[in-house]
Amino acid sequence: SQKIEQNSEALNIQEGKTATLTCNYTNYSPAYLQWYRQDPGRGPVFLLLIRENEKEKRKERLKVTFDTTLKQSLFHITASQPADSATYLCAPSLDSNYQLIWGAGTKLIIKP
Amino acid sequence: GAVVSQHPSWVICKSGTSVKIECRSLDFQATTMFWYRQFPKQSLMLMATSNEGSKATYEQGVEKDKFLINHASLTLSTLTVTSAHPEDSSFYICSARDPSSGYEQYFGPGTRLTVT
Repeated sequence: SQKIEQNSEALNIQEGKTATLTCNYTNYSPAYLQWYRQDPGRGPVFLLLIRENEKEKRKERLKVTFDTTLKQSLFHITASQPADSATYLCAPSLDSNYQLIWGAGTKLIIKP
Repeated sequence: GAVVSQHPSWVICKSGTSVKIECRSLDFQATTMFWYRQFPKQSLMLMATSNEGSKATYEQGVEKDKFLINHASLTLSTLTVTSAHPEDSSFYICSARDPSSGYEQYFGPGTRLTVT
């Protein structure tokens, strides 16, 4: 069955450093992959989408890579700030039905 | 950006009663809406996919007679939890896809349901 793995342990990063989160998937080949941010008690907020034919995507301090050979996506936040603290969710998807398959998320804590 | 609202944001009901949750796309027309539930510290679990004007498609293991979904217009989908039990207590979140903007989904703020 399709499986998404994100680091289940919280990631503690010092303010100003780059935070890198990992998303690994198995048993399927997504056409695209999305990253979302979720704060406690709130719905997820869309951050970035990267397609299978794209190696890298950037948006301000965010960068996403997509390696279809390794079946892995990396999500980077540069110059991290305490306000970046949240849970980040990875969601690869097939093209056909727009349904997203969700990882459990990685909790990121940026310490001042 | 696209905005999705949910109402109510939280609700407490007694066991055996029914609860309706509304999901609205405020500034776009959503042909497809999704309903999720999320337990503490767990991933989003897709319950059903709702298409305007047609029956919802439920995920395996989700009782369609218990979780009634109605997508009556391009801006409104409702989820009714019928004969609620304490084990239905959860965080319910809807999302919608804006066909004009691509594959991303826009989420509502969620509804916290507590069944006593």
